Amino acid sequence: DQQVKQNSPSLSVQEGRISILNCDYTNSMFDYFLWYKKYPAEGPTFLISISSIKDKNEDGRFTVFLNKSAKHLSLHIVPSQPGDSAVYFCAASARGSQGNLIFGKGTKLSVKP
Amino acid sequence: GAVVSQHPSWVICKSGTSVKIECRSLDFQATTMFWYRQFPKQSLMLMATSNEGSKATYEQGVEKDKFLINHASLTLSTLTVTSAHPEDSSFYICSAHGTSGRVGYNEQFFGPGTRLTVL
Repeated sequence: DQQVKQNSPSLSVQEGRISILNCDYTNSMFDYFLWYKKYPAEGPTFLISISSIKDKNEDGRFTVFLNKSAKHLSLHIVPSQPGDSAVYFCAASARGSQGNLIFGKGTKLSVKP
Repeated sequence: GAVVSQHPSWVICKSGTSVKIECRSLDFQATTMFWYRQFPKQSLMLMATSNEGSKATYEQGVEKDKFLINHASLTLSTLTVTSAHPEDSSFYICSAHGTSGRVGYNEQFFGPGTRLTVL
């Protein structure tokens, strides 16, 4: 049973517009959420995170929103740039789990010039 | 951010041989290292968690005798795929989690990955 779900395997956005990547989770014990960006044949790169005590965290062009009641989080990228084209993984961690991360399957974002 | 390296970046081996992959945290001490495997178009699947100086904790379905993990120091963990078979061909990624101020809680820093191909 997948605890972290990214239901959109791919997303295509025009340069300059907003990219919205979605993630749903089922485990109510998750208290920390992260987004990673991954290029082919490379390891994931940490992008942004959010604790369950917050509902929004912003870092430059990247904003993560958390809706705990819906067990849903989203990553907003605005404005989107061609260099943002990559696979984005949502990950979650539960308190006391020694930092173990549960990953979604990823969403491939393509930003077209 | 913190830097994690992996060696080798890719390896091709014959079926039945063993392959060792190294994971190093270059500028911080990693109390915990994680090993993941990623098949094409799939998510990163956690294989095992290793803490320095103790035995690794393996996820369900991962054979500990086949995937030997050693975390001998705070900056080095190794994964040895023993008697590799073609179905072990995958992208193996390590990550490191530290407790210093530079590596925040629950932030794992990933290595660049190792592409293993077993013929």
